[in-house]
Parts: sequence; structure tokens; C-alpha cells
Amino acid sequence: DSGVTQTPKHLITATGQRVTLRCSPRSGDLSVYWYQQSLDQGLQFLIQYYNGEERAKGNILERFSAQQFPDLHSELNLSSLELGDSALYFCASSPGSTGELFFGEGSRLTVL
Amino acid sequence: GESVGLHLPTLSVQEGDNSIINCAYSNSASDYFIWYKQESGKGPQFIIDIRSNMDKRQGQRVTVLLNKTVKHLSLQIAATQPGDSAVYFCAERPNSGYALNFGKGTSLLVTP
Repeated sequence: DSGVTQTPKHLITATGQRVTLRCSPRSGDLSVYWYQQSLDQGLQFLIQYYNGEERAKGNILERFSAQQFPDLHSELNLSSLELGDSALYFCASSPGSTGELFFGEGSRLTVL
Repeated sequence: GESVGLHLPTLSVQEGDNSIINCAYSNSASDYFIWYKQESGKGPQFIIDIRSNMDKRQGQRVTVLLNKTVKHLSLQIAATQPGDSAVYFCAERPNSGYALNFGKGTSLLVTP
């Protein structure tokens, strides 16, 4: 158990809909990262927050947004969903803004 | 563009043999490299890391080798066990950034 909690574990929705994925980092970790893992793909970095502020942005679509709250949990919002958004979405946390990342178990999103 | 990639998508080894998983990277500015193991249905787990000022680092049954001249990273697993069957990802962190960039992964299958 990495100490990173993600909910929901599974989510099935339809095209055009909007979903929110939630992540609670390890106790004391200030950084939260979001990654997308599609079938046969590696982990694609989406976005990073550090202590409530956006620190780095990767290949995140404009339809996607995220935030980190004062209690350090984070949410990833996916809107106008398309079939191609079906993937595993991982949250990771780290104590600072660099170094080893601790991953959650992921949220599997299926868009029908 | 800058990328992290793996030479082989799949690797099959016999139990007890040593495994070597290779990774090429192209960003000479990367200062930190890390190997993760991902078992089916789980999030990636840290195996071992290495900084760019080192060329070798050993852990328990695992060794990471870094060759900066040819931008090559390898993970050696000694006496491979069935529990080592998983997908292995290498990742790099450009020293100008914060997040880890992951390769596509190598699937390691350990046969009895």
C-alpha cells in the first residue's frame, strides 16, 4: 500500500459526459501528479500540483482540468468525454516537488 | 523530440535466471532516472533510482546501470522469481522539470 488513495476505482460513463477523479496523497506529501495510462501505452504525464499551486503541465487536454485543495487532496476533472479518454488515470504524490513518486492504484475510466 | 523508450516490449526468462531490461533516453539534460514495476491491476511501484552523477546502483536483487555516453539505462534482476513477472517502466526527470517522463514499458514473464 503506497498510502495514495484514489476514488473511484472504476467508472463507466458515456461520451459527452463529465467525471471527477479524486486523489488523497500520502500523509505529508505536498506534490500531487496525474498520469494517464492508455492500452499499450506508457504513463503520460498530465499535470502536477505542489502545495496547492500548479507546478508543471504535460500533455493535458483543454477538456481536462485539475486542482489541489488546501487539505492537499486533488481532483482531476474530465469533460466532454470521448471514447479515446478511456484509460487508467493514476495519481502519485511525493514529499517535495521532485524525487520518487508514490502511485495510487488508479481509476479505470471507460467511456462508452 | 525528447523521449524515453524501451528496446524490447516483452521479455521471457526462466525462473532463477538473471533478467536485463534496457531503456534508451534521449534527453541529455536528465539528472534522475528511476525504475518502476507495475503488476496487473496495480499502480507502479518504485524499484530503484539513480542520479546522473552515478553509473551504478545496487538494491536487493536489482542493479541499475547508467551509461550517459550512449544514453542508456538498464535494470538487472538477479535470480528472477515468478513474483517478478510484471511490466517494468523506466522514467527520467529532465533537470529543467519536475515530473517523471515514462517509457512504454517492458513486460517481463518468468516461466518455471
